[in-house]
Parts: sequence; C-alpha cells; structure tokens
Amino acid sequence: KAGVTQTPRYLIKTRGQQVTLSCSPISGHRSVSWYQQTPGQGLQFLFEYFSETQRNKGNFPGRFSGRQFSNSRSEMNVSTLELGDSALYLCASTSGTGGTGELFFGEGSRLTVL
Amino acid sequence: AQTVTQSQPEMSVQEAETVTLSCTYDTSESDYYLFWYKQPPSRQMILVIRQEAYKQQNATENRFSVNFQKAAKSFSLKISDSQLGDAAMYFCAIIKAAGNKLTFGGGTRVLVKP
Repeated sequence: KAGVTQTPRYLIKTRGQQVTLSCSPISGHRSVSWYQQTPGQGLQFLFEYFSETQRNKGNFPGRFSGRQFSNSRSEMNVSTLELGDSALYLCASTSGTGGTGELFFGEGSRLTVL
Repeated sequence: AQTVTQSQPEMSVQEAETVTLSCTYDTSESDYYLFWYKQPPSRQMILVIRQEAYKQQNATENRFSVNFQKAAKSFSLKISDSQLGDAAMYFCAIIKAAGNKLTFGGGTRVLVKP
C-alpha cells in the first residue's frame, strides 16, 4: 500500500509569490490534515479536510488555504509569501472516522522563502 | 485548548541502555488519545506508540513503553535496549477522541552513542 505522497519535496520562492503544495493520502483515507513545522514554533496544525469539507482549522492567517478533491487528494496554498512561511509542511492522512487511529505522515514539502 | 510540554530538548543514551522521555499535557477533554511520534532526520514521522486515556494499562510496543499517569497528566516514553536507529526527534502529541487535530509538544532529540 503506497504511503502519503507530498509534492514537491523542496521548493524555493521569493516574498510576495504564492505556492501550492499537493498531498495524496493513503488509498481509502478520507481525512487529510496539514501541519507546519518550524524550528521556532514547532509543529502547528493548519487545517483538516474530510470528504472535501474543511472540518478543523488552526490559527493561521487567511493567506493559508486548502482544498480537497473527490479522490481525497488535497492541496494547500499560501499566497503573498513571507519570510516566516519558510517551513516544512507536513501532510497526514487517516481514515477520518475519529481521533482513535494513527495519522500517517508524508515526508513533507520544504519551502524556503527568500 | 490542549497543550503538550516536553521539558527535555535533547537526551543522550548509550547503545543498549535505557532512556526515558518526559511529556506533560493539559486538556479539558475527558476522552482523548496520547501518542509518541518519531521523526528521523530527513525522514517521515512515524507512530511509535499510542495510549487511550480511558485505559489504565500502560501501552507497550516491543522496546517502547509508556508510563501514563492520568491524574498527573504525564505521559513518558521509555526506550529500552537503545539502538542506533532510535536516534531521532520524538514528539509527544494529544488528540481528542472526536477529531483528527494533533497537538504536539516541542520535541526531544534523542542521540544514541555507539
């Protein structure tokens, strides 16, 4: 069974640009969540999608958005990039029926903003 | 709101020895789950061990075991017979039973000396 796949793995952008990151969950998983990992703030929850609907949202500005498609693949978008957006963005998937199961993480997309 | 605190930024252990990682948490939820995740350098995060809050018995997974003290809101991880492959960042995390949003601690880096 293929794991959680995130693309691209690495990318470099400049301030003011926007970026789109993609996440393909494990087959059969309907919940996809996104986390931002930085040395200063640690791991912070961005949002969770389940069956194409945002079910939970973290405390991030509106520049951070996401969506989920009917095949459960998810994208997150960051507009008007700032230097502080440089981070490892992790995607995790689970079956989505409740917080009892393991979240499976991808390897992450490392974003550098110059 | 839920919070997780890991007071040890880094721990060092000799190969084959035992190391214990500390974690305390705070939650107003009565039903929740606790996790330890391992993040090796430049590799994806994987689940080490999970504990259901309603279970009094401490979880074990091979060389990994937890000491769950619900009243004290403490959830420590013991790694026995440490191996070089155990070197990684370890994150303690909590999730309420009804959701898929993980709240992570700041992490503890484990170094294993040969």
